[in-house]
Amino acid sequence: EPEVTQTPSHQVTQMGQEVILRCVPISNHLYFYWYRQILGQKVEFLVSFYNNEISEKSEIFDDQFSVERPDGSNFTLKIRSTKLEDSAMYFCASLAGRGLGELFFGEGSRLTVL
Amino acid sequence: ELKVEQNPLFLSMQEGKNYTIYCNYSTTSDRLYWYRQDPGKSLESLFVLLSNGAVKQEGRLMASLDTKARLSTLHITAAVHDLSATYFCAATTSGTYKYIFGTGTRLKVLA
Repeated sequence: EPEVTQTPSHQVTQMGQEVILRCVPISNHLYFYWYRQILGQKVEFLVSFYNNEISEKSEIFDDQFSVERPDGSNFTLKIRSTKLEDSAMYFCASLAGRGLGELFFGEGSRLTVL
Repeated sequence: ELKVEQNPLFLSMQEGKNYTIYCNYSTTSDRLYWYRQDPGKSLESLFVLLSNGAVKQEGRLMASLDTKARLSTLHITAAVHDLSATYFCAATTSGTYKYIFGTGTRLKVLA
């Protein structure tokens, strides 16, 4: 069964360092997302991506964050200068796009900022 | 902006009992989704509700949608321990592909 894969599963970094989280969405899906979840709390929308550009973003997604799809398969989230409060689980999701079906989530990347 | 709220936030129930989780959303939304999350795991899709009056059932879980009341419910029948998890509802604002998740309901079923 097709699935969304994410790497790394866990990353520990120092405050101020750059981090790149990677995702391979389900093949042929059209919409891609990043969500953040802090310590099992609410699942927060960060950004959605369609047709090689950001379609929507939240207030959380400030200038420190960026996304790209460099090679047609990977979908990355970059945090330029990490802060302590960026520590969270980051989930990538993809959507087929044919109507508003369910999002399919990856297993998540846990980011710990020290 | 679309806001999605759930209640209760925490639910501890005995095996064999019935209970309902409520999901309210603030603006017009024509789709409602339910997800399950086990501790430390990803989100697993349970139900997609596409229209007013939609009802879906899978095992001991049944979800319904009332778009006029902006309310969805997830009903648990004769709970078993395996249903212990956090349940999230999510909605989309009409015309967008932005999925907003509710606050989550942490369910614990006691043997």
